[in-house]
Order: sequence, then C-alpha cells, then structure tokens
Amino acid sequence: DAKTTQPNSMESNEEEPVHLPCNHSTISGTDYIHWYRQLPSQGPEYVIHGLTSNVNNRMASLAIAEDRKSSTLILHRATLRDAAVYYCIPSTSGTYKYIFGTGTRLKVLA
Amino acid sequence: KAGVTQTPRYLIKTRGQQVTLSCSPISGHRSVSWYQQTPGQGLQFLFEYFSETQRNKGNFPGRFSGRQFSNSRSEMNVSTLELGDSALYLCASSLGYAAGTGNTIYFGEGSWLTVV
Repeated sequence: DAKTTQPNSMESNEEEPVHLPCNHSTISGTDYIHWYRQLPSQGPEYVIHGLTSNVNNRMASLAIAEDRKSSTLILHRATLRDAAVYYCIPSTSGTYKYIFGTGTRLKVLA
Repeated sequence: KAGVTQTPRYLIKTRGQQVTLSCSPISGHRSVSWYQQTPGQGLQFLFEYFSETQRNKGNFPGRFSGRQFSNSRSEMNVSTLELGDSALYLCASSLGYAAGTGNTIYFGEGSWLTVV
C-alpha cells in the first residue's frame, strides 16, 4: 500500500488560494490519486482525482508532479465552508480499499 | 439523485450485544465498501463487496462481518460488542468494480455507534 505524508494542519484567509501538499513517493504507476475532504460529523466527500496530468473541476484543481511522487490540491478561493480535513489517497487497481492517513486539517480565517 | 443512505444514524448498545448496520448505495452502484472511524485510529477499511461477493477485507476480528444483497444493499454486523467498537461506521458505494479505471467512491453520512 502506498504511504502518504501530509501536513497536520494549515491555515488560510478567506477568499485566498490554498495549496494543500501531499507526498506519495511509494505510489505505483497505475495508482490514481484521490482527494477527499471530511467536514465535522459528516462522511468524507469526494473532491478530485487524477492519474498523471493536472485536473480541474468545479471544486478544485489537482496538480500532479511529473514523477508522480507528490501532488497538490488547489482551492482557488477558500471559503469558510472549505474548513475540513483533507485526505490524499492513492488508489490501487482492483480494490476500493482506501488507506486514509491523518490528513490535513484546514482552518479558514474570516 | 439520492446519495448513499445509512441506517440507523445513531445507536447505543451494551457490551456483549450485537448490532446490524444497513447501507443503501447510490442507485446503479454495485460496489459497496465499509470503513470504521475512531479518534485514535482514524478511518480504517473494513471490507468491500461487489455483486454480493466480498472482494477484500481489512484487518479486523471475525466479530465484524458483512454481506451484500442482490439489489446491492449491504449490511454489516458486529457481534459481542466491546467498548472499543464505539465509532462512526461509514459506507461508500461506487459504480463498478475497481478495475483500475479511477472510479470514485461516494460516502454516506455514517452510523454513530456508542457501546456502553
């Protein structure tokens, strides 16, 4: 199973961009990188995922390093509702056994 | 489109009892996986099912079991409850089998189990 390393916590001012890093140096060539976030008292919510190239959706952007050993989740304009724990998870072909690390707790300041 | 539905949302059980939790996946989704979340251990994988077959199992004792029905609904059971089983139990569903296509899993809001 690929291991991930994320900062325990980060802070951002409201309406400013946030870059959440993740190191996944043991990822295999076919593992997708998924990002989820979990708001208090809720189940994890899908944010974005990608394999090799950068990805964008209405929630965020995902920048994947060329060697795939790291990725960065980008929230373009943080809002108070983005305060959550963010998890990056390499997924493995053939299973939905996701290994959740400790994630990054994002605090958004008004 | 309705999301993943888990019942009950909250329950309290006594040590030694057993509990059954239910999960209805998103319509059309055939894969269901279960996770346990505790403050000490974080989110841990329990098991996953596809087409009524258990495909993978996490590192939990045999007291934890599950099954999936032909309509893709799933249940998990914990027998002989211990205090340490107090946790948020999360169910997630996905469209198909995890065949390397980068399928996404979608989580329900969970069932909060307290063992006293």
